[in-house]
Amino acid sequence: GAGVSQSPSNKVTEKGKDVELRCDPISGHTALYWYRQSLGQGLEFLIYFQGNSAPDKSGLPSDRFSAERTGGSVSTLTIQRTQQEDSAVYLCASTSSGSYGYTFGSGTRLTVV
Amino acid sequence: GENVEQHPSTLSVQEGDSAVIKCTYSDSASNYFPWYKQELGKRPQLIIDIRSNVGEKKDQRIAVTLNKTAKHFSLHITETQPEDSAVYFCAASKGTSGTYKYIFGTGTRLKVLA
Repeated sequence: GAGVSQSPSNKVTEKGKDVELRCDPISGHTALYWYRQSLGQGLEFLIYFQGNSAPDKSGLPSDRFSAERTGGSVSTLTIQRTQQEDSAVYLCASTSSGSYGYTFGSGTRLTVV
Repeated sequence: GENVEQHPSTLSVQEGDSAVIKCTYSDSASNYFPWYKQELGKRPQLIIDIRSNVGEKKDQRIAVTLNKTAKHFSLHITETQPEDSAVYFCAASKGTSGTYKYIFGTGTRLKVLA
């Protein structure tokens, strides 16, 4: 696609429910990243995928968070048993080898009530 | 671990004045330093970047300087305009392909007063 697409754009869920957030990177981009931005805060690294290498999961805040990338393209971030502190904007970005500079998606605003 | 510190957290300048935002990084292997601008409710957008083989890069009213020895880099905006008002994030990364993760600073909220 022309840009990085994320869905849904907004998600309200009840505490304790599971949610899935989707990211569709720019076609041909080999690297895909997930970040979290709490209200008025910075960009917290969660996980990234580069080609066929094992993902770098060092930023995932707990074992309730997981992500996968199927076929080297679309990625899904799953949050199990959501908590109120999970409320944030979840941003996805992609880039390709040698190009430098992420392109961000418009994010998914997750609200846990 | 990897860390990027950014100062100031907020900055107000009069229209036409210059603005400077400073960042320091901890990982001496870092070799790529992008700057992102995020307007309210929008996604971050890359505005300028610098690689470690140069000390300064300029693009119209925006410039970035890098001091590898001191492990700090700065964003300079000259002749500020109201549309420059936004949150600015610095980041540091490493590796040779451009795809390593970025560690971001905590952001600077810039307000340009008309």
